[in-house]
Amino acid sequence: DTAVSQTPKYLVTQMGNDKSIKCEQNLGHDTMYWYKQDSKKFLKIMFSYNNKELIINETVPNRFSPKSPDKAHLNLHINSLELGDSAVYFCASSPGEGAGELFFGEGSRLTVL
Amino acid sequence: SQKIEQNSEALNIQEGKTATLTCNYTNYSPAYLQWYRQDPGRGPVFLLLIRENEKEKRKERLKVTFDTTLKQSLFHITASQPADSATYLCALDIGGYNKLIFGAGTRLAVHP
Repeated sequence: DTAVSQTPKYLVTQMGNDKSIKCEQNLGHDTMYWYKQDSKKFLKIMFSYNNKELIINETVPNRFSPKSPDKAHLNLHINSLELGDSAVYFCASSPGEGAGELFFGEGSRLTVL
Repeated sequence: SQKIEQNSEALNIQEGKTATLTCNYTNYSPAYLQWYRQDPGRGPVFLLLIRENEKEKRKERLKVTFDTTLKQSLFHITASQPADSATYLCALDIGGYNKLIFGAGTRLAVHP
């Protein structure tokens, strides 16, 4: 049973389109995150939510909008996609917002043409 | 700004030897540091967390050290196996809420 699951795993789309990536965790964790891993393999935090409340909001274009309908779900919606948005997006969760390991999903590879 | 560096080149070692990976950082004093393993096409998997007041942490064949004076962490895999081949990522806490920044990782290849 997958702990942190993301859909879709692959997403190929045209510039200017709007797309969403969904994430669900069944670990009972309070905190969820979105990370972006670019072609140079750096993992960069984008957002984190604790119990549906936005905690971390890094310098991310406002075309990216996270939504947490409940603490087990954190979705990422991206408007007006650009070439530079091509990357692998990872969802993660942790028990709380204090120090602790992150449990990552398998990633969603977004390719913008 | 915070900078975190890991060996950019791949590390190739023989099976049975000890692999040592380095993580150096500047411009911050993290309360803790974590190490993750990432296989191609997969998400990172947590390995170890070490706090600023801990010098060393062990888990089975893994050992992590944390030198806050040198601003360096070393990650050791003893009796390495081909199955240990992967990219290893270092991550630093940079100010609460479990906000981590990651290094680019070091790719380890263990040869039979």
